[in-house]
Amino acid sequence: QKEVEQNSGPLSVPEGAIASLNCTYSDRGSQSFFWYRQYSGKSPELIMFIYSNGDKEDGRFTAQLNKASQYVSLLIRDSQPSDSATYLCAAGGSSNTGKLIFGQGTTLQVKP
Amino acid sequence: EAEVAQSPRYKITEKSQAVAFWCDPISGHATLYWYRQILGQGPELLVQFQDESVVDDSQLPKDRFSAERLKGVDSTLKIQPAELGDSAMYLCASSHRALGGTEAFFGQGTRLTVV
Repeated sequence: QKEVEQNSGPLSVPEGAIASLNCTYSDRGSQSFFWYRQYSGKSPELIMFIYSNGDKEDGRFTAQLNKASQYVSLLIRDSQPSDSATYLCAAGGSSNTGKLIFGQGTTLQVKP
Repeated sequence: EAEVAQSPRYKITEKSQAVAFWCDPISGHATLYWYRQILGQGPELLVQFQDESVVDDSQLPKDRFSAERLKGVDSTLKIQPAELGDSAMYLCASSHRALGGTEAFFGQGTRLTVV
């Protein structure tokens, strides 16, 4: 079992729709969770982080964390073609390992 | 705006040759990571430093890879000898606090091609 798992996609949504990206993690000691956006050929760019159960909103982005279910999600409202990228989920701050571990990424395609 | 600096941006090397990558983290960031990212996959952690100490290098192929952060600031990742399968993007990232607990910021990466 991978430590952080994501559906590789591609996830295709029409422009203006809500894109929902999901991630599960195996280390219950993980304390911090991150979403990165990565355009083709570029390095990952941090877009959201969340440490507590519940929702965290930043503009069009909402991160959701459920530690009991070991589940993290990212919602992108009013999706734009410029949101087309690979979205990486990462888990860190583990009381067990201390490592920052990434999933394999989900490719999002927003169609005009 | 503070950035993680990496060099070179691109490197082409022949197999069996040695290659080195350099990373300068954001000033004041104690934690430094080296990741390898193969096309179509997520970043794979190679080594994690806390100041000058290695926190985790369990996925580092130690027969050919080495990493150091001698003064707890900049870092070098070396591969000797390079193999065809080492072709990938090598990413450096840094974060302020210990052990992956806070946001990590990436440099632009080094694209390595082994021929």
